[in-house]
Amino acid sequence: GNSVTQMEGPVTLSEEAFLTINCTYTATGYPSLFWYVQYPGEGLQLLLKATKADDKGSNKGFEATYRKETTSFHLEKGSVQVSDSAVYFCALRNTGNQFYFGTGTSLTVIP
Amino acid sequence: DGGITQSPKYLFRKEGQNVTLSCEQNLNHDAMYWYRQDPGQGLRLIYYSQIVNDFQKGDIAEGYSVSREKKESFPLTVTSAQKNPTAFYLCASRMGSETQYFGPGTRLLVL
Repeated sequence: GNSVTQMEGPVTLSEEAFLTINCTYTATGYPSLFWYVQYPGEGLQLLLKATKADDKGSNKGFEATYRKETTSFHLEKGSVQVSDSAVYFCALRNTGNQFYFGTGTSLTVIP
Repeated sequence: DGGITQSPKYLFRKEGQNVTLSCEQNLNHDAMYWYRQDPGQGLRLIYYSQIVNDFQKGDIAEGYSVSREKKESFPLTVTSAQKNPTAFYLCASRMGSETQYFGPGTRLLVL
């Protein structure tokens, strides 16, 4: 089957700290992988994506690399800001265009 | 501006009442989705529609109904059969093999 597992939150970091949010997946075939961000009271926004193995998605200082050998898509940022405080969702899209989401990881960045 | 709109932002339901959540998109996307989000949980798929006049049940369709009479509209009705309707409801749309784009959400509360 298809599923996404991401690290439990909440995560609290000081400003300028390094961020890693782990995400692993189970899928049949060759899925596309995504990270979405959700700010309080809003819908999800696409943060970055990768469509094949070894692709690196990047946006706004965030990066994630599609690792087929470890079935992972960990989200990283070198220096977080207070404005990065949000909930982050890892997701996959299978070859049938069905989407599967992780449970979300809440990030709070303190000044 | 192109995008997905959901209304209302907040909706109150009395016991035994049916309520309808609106979702409209002007992106010319074929597929549309409804998700339910509960606190601290990921997204759960309620219904989805790949084309006009066709829709399929997701993982938690019981107590909900939808229609897709127009490409740009995919309203969700929360019926009185849904015993625990309090949640944040997200609508999304997709074109082809692209990612999903989300609306801002509707928060449903029970009086």
